[in-house]
Amino acid sequence: DAKTTQPNSMESNEEEPVHLPCNHSTISGTDYIHWYRQLPSQGPEYVIHGLTSNVNNRMASLAIAEDRKSSTLILHRATLRDAAVYYCILSALFSGGYNKLIFGAGTRLAVHP
Amino acid sequence: GAVVSQHPSWVICKSGTSVKIECRSLDFQATTMFWYRQFPKQSLMLMATSNEGSKATYEQGVEKDKFLINHASLTLSTLTVTSAHPEDSSFYICSARVSITDTQYFGPGTRLTVL
Repeated sequence: DAKTTQPNSMESNEEEPVHLPCNHSTISGTDYIHWYRQLPSQGPEYVIHGLTSNVNNRMASLAIAEDRKSSTLILHRATLRDAAVYYCILSALFSGGYNKLIFGAGTRLAVHP
Repeated sequence: GAVVSQHPSWVICKSGTSVKIECRSLDFQATTMFWYRQFPKQSLMLMATSNEGSKATYEQGVEKDKFLINHASLTLSTLTVTSAHPEDSSFYICSARVSITDTQYFGPGTRLTVL
């Protein structure tokens, strides 16, 4: 499985934008880039995913480098509720016809009032 | 939409007993569900893939006779921890796959404590 590298932790102030980086230099052409986040004692929450083009949804934006070896999750205005561990995950089509998610250590985001 | 529930949310049991955890997709059908385990201050570890109507696929190092998985319907998968021991104490999380987007939605988790 292709691996990702993320900073262990990041800090932000409330209502400021946050850019969470992820390196995935061994990504293959069919790997999707997924972002999930996890609050303490809760299951992960889907944030966004993409393949090649930048993606936007109500939660965040995903900027994917042209060579796909890195990506950035953008939270446009951080709130205290955005404090969580953010996971950048590559998934590849499994022989069973679905993707498996292999979680790394993620980035712990702290948001200060 | 895409809500996944787990029951129970927490359970305490004695060593040697078996515990069943349910995972339900509430507003969609899921032919594929996944079971993860998470120890304190660690990331999620994929245990197995649960396929409706067929045998589960276990990740390397996960004992299939210890962690029994049944996916009897398109909205329900169960994980049974058999003969639980204190080292099985963990946070167990399931997810259900939405086929059309190939996105996984996670349940809230079940905290198992084995005394």
